[in-house]
Amino acid sequence: AQKVTQAQTEISVVEKEDVTLDCVYETRDTTYYLFWYKQPPSGELVFLIRRNSFDEQNEISGRYSWNFQKSTSSFNFTITASQVVDSAVYFCALSESNNDMRFGAGTRLTVKP
Amino acid sequence: NAGVTQTPKFQVLKTGQSMTLQCAQDMNHEYMSWYRQDPGMGLRLIHYSVGAGITDQGEVPNGYNVSRSTTEDFPLRLLSAAPSQTSVYFCASSRSLWRRVNEQFFGPGTRLTVL
Repeated sequence: AQKVTQAQTEISVVEKEDVTLDCVYETRDTTYYLFWYKQPPSGELVFLIRRNSFDEQNEISGRYSWNFQKSTSSFNFTITASQVVDSAVYFCALSESNNDMRFGAGTRLTVKP
Repeated sequence: NAGVTQTPKFQVLKTGQSMTLQCAQDMNHEYMSWYRQDPGMGLRLIHYSVGAGITDQGEVPNGYNVSRSTTEDFPLRLLSAAPSQTSVYFCASSRSLWRRVNEQFFGPGTRLTVL
């Protein structure tokens, strides 16, 4: 069965620092999908990115960037020049083609002013 | 376009009581799912459905029933609530293309306490 590990339970940074959230996954499928979701203090879940296993290109969206490396089974998320509004719990998730999505335990990011 | 809606937002039950958590979506998504979120454990899949009339079990299905009679609605039933079912429940939906998994849109959640 697939598994996602987010080893960092909590991270605290000062505003404008860069921060990387780690995600390591396990799967036996050659076709799979990786996701990142954000859960701000208000509690809703916000989709950030989807990546399939055949696309190893890194992606940048504003201050957010993602590094997908199949060789190390990792899909790390970097926030550049962090802001207080980035404070949230971030979840990495993995879905094989059967739609059974598994989430990591989440990383709580606190950005202090 | 309301997206994914869930009712109620909060619920307190006594052990042994039954109830149904409602979930509806207006995006014509084929795929719908239920998750529970517990501290330190992320979200765990309870049940999911790839279309009306089709449901399947996820990672933690025990104690929960689902049905999917329409594309829009996917209720989650607790037959006999237990304190271990105290959690925040999220419903989600996504477009379902053959062998392609798309991003899921989540409802606002239902916070359930079982005494």
